[in-house]
Amino acid sequence: EAGVAQSPRYKIIEKRQSVAFWCNPISGHATLYWYQQILGQGPKLLIQFQNNGVVDDSQLPKDRFSAERLKGVDSTLKIQPAKLEDSAVYLCASSTGPSGANVLTFGAGSRLTVL
Amino acid sequence: GDSVTQMEGPVTLSEEAFLTINCTYTATGYPSLFWYVQYPGEGLQLLLKATKADDKGSNKGFEATYRKETTSFHLEKGSVQVSDSAVYFCALTDNAGKSTFGDGTTLTVKP
Repeated sequence: EAGVAQSPRYKIIEKRQSVAFWCNPISGHATLYWYQQILGQGPKLLIQFQNNGVVDDSQLPKDRFSAERLKGVDSTLKIQPAKLEDSAVYLCASSTGPSGANVLTFGAGSRLTVL
Repeated sequence: GDSVTQMEGPVTLSEEAFLTINCTYTATGYPSLFWYVQYPGEGLQLLLKATKADDKGSNKGFEATYRKETTSFHLEKGSVQVSDSAVYFCALTDNAGKSTFGDGTTLTVKP
């Protein structure tokens, strides 16, 4: 089966600019996650979707970050305006459902550099 | 909130050496526990998992046992290979599907 697709793989922007990342999960996976991974740290959850509804966005900096999952399939994560501390890899993952036992399948990630 | 603490790296071993990477967790309820691995140039992928106390997860010669009494899930392998060089992440997932990761341990195996 096809994996989790993400784009772009790399993005370099100036601070205060905007950027958007796209994710296409594994077909049939109802749960989609966006994680932020800063160099040397583990992934940190930004937002979790179940189909096209938000389950958890408690750690999403809502003054600058937004995410949507229209039609319960693809998702986009937007940052506007970007700050230097947003430099990180943004990981998209999906699973069959929100059960704790379900395994996450990750995409390759989108590496953002903010100058 | 939930948290995961891994032993700090990097860890450097010779081929065929014994590996232990410590992982302890703090959680409310009864989470599932996972080890994910990131090989150079690749994305995060599942290595093994355990969903309840005393379960042992195993894959590719790696093992980890869910120890509720010590809130631990230590990763072990009896004889590492150069191809095991990677970053290893311990993680827990609660019943709502929210995952919390440790900061990763970099393993380098030298021939």
